[in-house]
Amino acid sequence: AQTVTQSQPEMSVQEAETVTLSCTYDTSESDYYLFWYKQPPSRQMILVIRQEAYKQQNATENRFSVNFQKAAKSFSLKISDSQLGDAAMYFCAYRSSSGNTPLVFGKGTRLSVIA
Amino acid sequence: EPEVTQTPSHQVTQMGQEVILRCVPISNHLYFYWYRQILGQKVEFLVSFYNNEISEKSEIFDDQFSVERPDGSNFTLKIRSTKLEDSAMYFCASSEAGGYTDTQYFGPGTRLTVL
Repeated sequence: AQTVTQSQPEMSVQEAETVTLSCTYDTSESDYYLFWYKQPPSRQMILVIRQEAYKQQNATENRFSVNFQKAAKSFSLKISDSQLGDAAMYFCAYRSSSGNTPLVFGKGTRLSVIA
Repeated sequence: EPEVTQTPSHQVTQMGQEVILRCVPISNHLYFYWYRQILGQKVEFLVSFYNNEISEKSEIFDDQFSVERPDGSNFTLKIRSTKLEDSAMYFCASSEAGGYTDTQYFGPGTRLTVL
């Protein structure tokens, strides 16, 4: 079974600075999808960014980008120019390419943004 | 922008009672999911549903749980006899198709409190 590990329970960043959240995963598959979801205090799960495993180019969405290292099974999230609204729990998730499979989530990293 | 909606936002029930959590997926989506998140823990998959059938379920989804699509818009999760340990945030999600490249969009969640 696939597992997702987020080794940083909590992180903090100064407003306008850059922060990187770590995620590693374990799988024997070659095709899969990786996601970062944000969960603000409202607890809604919001998709931040996604990455197809077969793509070498790292995904980017405005201030959010990933560093996808397939061989190392690493998928970190970089947030540039951090804003107060970025404060939230961030979950890394994996999805297998085998059929209609569910998301497998990590335990999350709580990000605080300091004004 | 279309979104997944869930009702109620918060449900309080007595142990042993039945509860029904409701979800309205995005209208053109065909695949539906329930996840739960016990406070402070990671999000866990419960069940996926397609074409009026369960397509996959986790070990958590035992006989006390059931899902139904009673009409063309609603997707429900029923817990027959609630236990204290069922207290959690329950998230509904939907995707347009079931492939691993299809993003699952989450609703805002229902907080279930079992007393």
